[in-house]
Amino acid sequence: GENVGLHLPTLSVQEGDNSIINCAYSNSASDYFIWYKQESGKGPQFIIDIRSNMDKRQGQRVTVLLNKTVKHLSLQIAATQPGDSAVYFCAEMILSGTYKYIFGTGTRLKVLA
Amino acid sequence: DVKVTQSSRYLVKRTGEKVFLECVQDMDHENMFWYRQDPGLGLRLIYFSYDVKMKEKGDIPEGYSVSREKKERFSLILESASTNQTSMYLCASSSAGGYNEQFFGPGTRLTVL
Repeated sequence: GENVGLHLPTLSVQEGDNSIINCAYSNSASDYFIWYKQESGKGPQFIIDIRSNMDKRQGQRVTVLLNKTVKHLSLQIAATQPGDSAVYFCAEMILSGTYKYIFGTGTRLKVLA
Repeated sequence: DVKVTQSSRYLVKRTGEKVFLECVQDMDHENMFWYRQDPGLGLRLIYFSYDVKMKEKGDIPEGYSVSREKKERFSLILESASTNQTSMYLCASSSAGGYNEQFFGPGTRLTVL
């Protein structure tokens, strides 16, 4: 939504540079992780996911790294573009049990021209 | 193109009114979710449903109820709206089983006066 970026940490990146957005997740038993992008006035949009048996996954211009030792997830965006400006947040899920996801609060990415 | 739609983008209601938020998905997904999104708090799960007529409480169900009479439709009901229910409401759906991303609707910005 349009207010989702308030009170969030902001990462400002020059257009063309690489961006790294970090997420500390909460549960060491989580099996599955997703990065979402949320532009102002829109719902979250899937970017990339990773399973807990992997430590790296690449998509188009995006890479997700998972470090289970320190419960840390990162999203790397290569050659950041103005259209990448948005709020990014991670989600974790434990597959056994319910279908509940736990969402991080997010980071606002600002791309400077 | 897969789609989750929500009945209203913006809604203004008065305290004590009954409010209906509708969500429809066209992906034949088994699971549907209602979240609220508030600045600095991330997405918080209100209710979810993993099948028609089935529902499970999320983390903050108080003051809300849901209805799932058809697979494609999941309704969120505020029986008696209060000012602290002013928020962005997001609906999502996903396939059954694990390792499935959630697809989100555009959100409904509800203001309760």
